Amino acid sequence: EGQLVESGGALVQPGGSLRLSCAASGLTFSRYWMSWVRQAPGKGLEWVANVKQDENEKYYVDSVKGRFTISRDNAKNSVYLQMNSLRVDDTAVYYCVRIQRAGTTDWFDPWGRGTLVTVSS
Amino acid sequence: SSELTQDPAVSVALGQTVRITCQGDSLRSYYASWYQQMPGQAPVLVIYGKNNRPSGIPDRFSGSSSGNTASLTITGAQAEDEADYYCNSRDSSGNHWVFGGGTRLTVL
Repeated sequence: EGQLVESGGALVQPGGSLRLSCAASGLTFSRYWMSWVRQAPGKGLEWVANVKQDENEKYYVDSVKGRFTISRDNAKNSVYLQMNSLRVDDTAVYYCVRIQRAGTTDWFDPWGRGTLVTVSS
Repeated sequence: SSELTQDPAVSVALGQTVRITCQGDSLRSYYASWYQQMPGQAPVLVIYGKNNRPSGIPDRFSGSSSGNTASLTITGAQAEDEADYYCNSRDSSGNHWVFGGGTRLTVL
């Protein structure tokens, strides 16, 4: 049910900026929280940021707070991740994911295929 | 604590039952969800909530929870179940989400 397609990944130098985009189709985008999750090469999954349907709530993992900004455009069925002051340890595949929430239960589904961000000089 | 702890690796004989566990204080308040990741692919949701399977996930996958521990059980493991498995939950603040470190399942 639904598809998410990320874009915008690239090779960037430390200290640089990058904007990731995620286009949703086949799901009622405006009804859901959206999230970015990343995975460094050979490492596990790390939640990065979430945004509420109306953008009134946004949450970030501590390591990106103040550097990354999540946003969305419900008219375009899209969510974005603006990444500034990039560091080598931000190198990862970045996944766009829909969050479904019901009381004390959350689940991430579906996932996009990911876009690779490489921070290197 | 905002952490979820998983065993790094688990093995199971073909056709046998295996339990993968996830421990964390936040699991006393929130249910875990579980994700399967094959090499080079995006994660796939396999269990969420008390014990819910998305459509298309075989019924050999099940979930349970007790205290600060959530478990994913595969009853009759198949060769195609060999993968990395991750648990996820909100942390104790309720406003951040955290993944466990992942468990690599080997089917012998």
